[in-house]
Amino acid sequence: GAVVSQHPSWVICKSGTSVKIECRSLDFQATTMFWYRQFPKQSLMLMATSNEGSKATYEQGVEKDKFLINHASLTLSTLTVTSAHPEDSSFYICSARDTVSYNEQFFGPGTRLTVL
Amino acid sequence: QKEVEQDPGPLSVPEGAIVSLNCTYSNSAFQYFMWYRQYSRKGPELLMYTYSSGNKEDGRFTAQVDKSSKYISLFIRDSQPSDSATYLCAMSDTGGGADGLTFGKGTHLIIQP
Repeated sequence: GAVVSQHPSWVICKSGTSVKIECRSLDFQATTMFWYRQFPKQSLMLMATSNEGSKATYEQGVEKDKFLINHASLTLSTLTVTSAHPEDSSFYICSARDTVSYNEQFFGPGTRLTVL
Repeated sequence: QKEVEQDPGPLSVPEGAIVSLNCTYSNSAFQYFMWYRQYSRKGPELLMYTYSSGNKEDGRFTAQVDKSSKYISLFIRDSQPSDSATYLCAMSDTGGGADGLTFGKGTHLIIQP
C-alpha cells in the first residue's frame, strides 16, 4: 500500500527557533500534499494544501509567514515552523494524494513538536 | 456550531459486541464521507470511504450515510481488542483526495477482552 513518512517523529526546541518537518511519499507520486495540526483532544485541522511546483494554499487563520511550506518534488513536502513558540506545540500530520487513486489521502505517522 | 460533531467518548464495550460510532454535520455540501482509525501517536488509517447517501460494507465494518439527516455511522461487528483505537469521521465536498478533509474530534473506543 501507499506509504507516507514524516521526519522527525518528534522534536523539542527552544522558543524562537525554527523547525523543519519533512513529509515523503515513499512508493507513489503525490501532486498534492496536505498539512494538518492536531491539538490534544481536538480534531485534525487542515493548515494548508501544497501542490508540487506552486505556492501553498493556507486555510483561514494560518499564518503563511510562520508556517512555510515547500513542495519541490512529487515525493517531498516540507513544513517549517519559524520562530516557534510554546503555543505552536502540537501534533503535525501530513497526507498525500496519489496521482492515480484520487479519492484517497494517505497519512503520515505525524510529528510531535514541543516548544519550550 | 462546529461543522462536524463527534462524541469523543471514551466508549467501552465488551469483546464481541456491535459498536456504533456516529457523526453529525452541518455543511450540506459534503458529499464524500470517510472513517479513519488512529492509534495513539500514529497517523490516521482509512477504513471506509463512501459517496453520498447509502450503506457500504467491508468485512466487519459497515458505513452508513444519511444526507437528509446529516448523520453518518460506522458499525463494527464482532469487535476485537485490536479494534481499540480512536475513530475519526472525515468529510469533503469534493473527492476525498482532491481537497483537505474536515474531521470530527474522534471517538476513543475501548474493547474489553
